[in-house]
Amino acid sequence: NAGVTQTPKFQVLKTGQSMTLQCAQDMNHEYMSWYRQDPGMGLRLIHYSVGAGITDQGEVPNGYNVSRSTTEDFPLRLLSAAPSQTSVYFCASSRRGTGDSWPQHFGDGTRLSIL
Amino acid sequence: AQSVTQPDIHITVSEGASLELRCNYSYGATPYLFWYVQSPGQGLQLLLKYFSGDTLVQGIKGFEAEFKRSQSSFNLRKPSVHWSDAAEYFCAVNSGSARQLTFGSGTQLTVLP
Repeated sequence: NAGVTQTPKFQVLKTGQSMTLQCAQDMNHEYMSWYRQDPGMGLRLIHYSVGAGITDQGEVPNGYNVSRSTTEDFPLRLLSAAPSQTSVYFCASSRRGTGDSWPQHFGDGTRLSIL
Repeated sequence: AQSVTQPDIHITVSEGASLELRCNYSYGATPYLFWYVQSPGQGLQLLLKYFSGDTLVQGIKGFEAEFKRSQSSFNLRKPSVHWSDAAEYFCAVNSGSARQLTFGSGTQLTVLP
């Protein structure tokens, strides 16, 4: 049971480069989301999805794109990396339902540095 | 807008001592409240959640939390801390309508032997 898998675990980029952070879950969860974690600020929501083909913006969406073509995968794209996007990124998933639809399963994170 | 305040950035306790981590929230309606724990280099794990009903909720790993509407608080407690409890703890409140959360800035717990 892999749960939520994020790749890569670490990445260093140069300003202006693009990349995709991968997130996959094997629990058939409808809800998936991306958060970024910065020191002293907790986690902030970037984008989320309530099912395949449906995505929406969170609190800090600028500079990031997402798509959800399958239930399992929810990649996060940085189109032109900026130093302000240096952070730890977490993907989370949860299933539809009253009690279990809140983020319950988190990946181990991707540590991203933009030079 | 909803918000969560965790007043204590860092707390140190001795193993076997009791623990209370503070959380204050701001939310216009009845909140859904959560506590998560993050061990070094890992993602977050849900400890417990409050939706309604009994204001004292039990979670995993021996943790409990009490919802106090009059104080807008949802403090996390454990009667006897173990060294393995050393981690960062996040309080969160529901935000929006799509099952998303607003997190506090976290409390780092150190456990002394």
